[in-house]
Amino acid sequence: KAGVTQTPRYLIKTRGQQVTLSCSPISGHRSVSWYQQTPGQGLQFLFEYFSETQRNKGNFPGRFSGRQFSNSRSEMNVSTLELGDSALYLCASSPSGTGEGNTIYFGEGSWLTVV
Amino acid sequence: AQSVTQPDIHITVSEGASLELRCNYSYGATPYLFWYVQSPGQGLQLLLKYFSGDTLVQGIKGFEAEFKRSQSSFNLRKPSVHWSDAAEYFCAVGARGSYIPTFGRGTSLIVHP
Repeated sequence: KAGVTQTPRYLIKTRGQQVTLSCSPISGHRSVSWYQQTPGQGLQFLFEYFSETQRNKGNFPGRFSGRQFSNSRSEMNVSTLELGDSALYLCASSPSGTGEGNTIYFGEGSWLTVV
Repeated sequence: AQSVTQPDIHITVSEGASLELRCNYSYGATPYLFWYVQSPGQGLQLLLKYFSGDTLVQGIKGFEAEFKRSQSSFNLRKPSVHWSDAAEYFCAVGARGSYIPTFGRGTSLIVHP
């Protein structure tokens, strides 16, 4: 079974631009969550989607948004990029059932550099 | 709300030595517990998890962890460390009924030859 796939793996954007990152979950997984990882702040939860609905949200500004499609694939968008948005963005998926359905599996991440 | 603490930011061990990475959690009931490993420039890989039952959990790459309710701990162990184990290790705790685990700040493992 293929793992979580994220594209693109690396990208460089200019301050003020916007960016869209894509995530394909493990087949059969219905929950997709996004995390931002930086050296200073560690791993921070952005949001989680289940059945095309945002189910949980972290403490990030409205410039960070996401969506999930009917095939469970997800995208996240960051508008008006700031230098501080430079980070590794990780997508994770889970079956989202009860018990062990809560186990999340991560992709390789998308490295975003804002210049 | 649940929380997790990894007291050690860095751990240095010699290759072949034993390893124990500490993880303490705060949660009112029995939590779900996870250990993940992250190699440089990569995503997080699940090493092992605890949901219920036997408190000693075996994982991949020769790792194990023991859930100790009395100490609110879930320490990760390996009897003999290999140079390839050098990475960042994250402990995470999930609350029953919540879909989002809470991650610790991570422990960086350095392995000396």
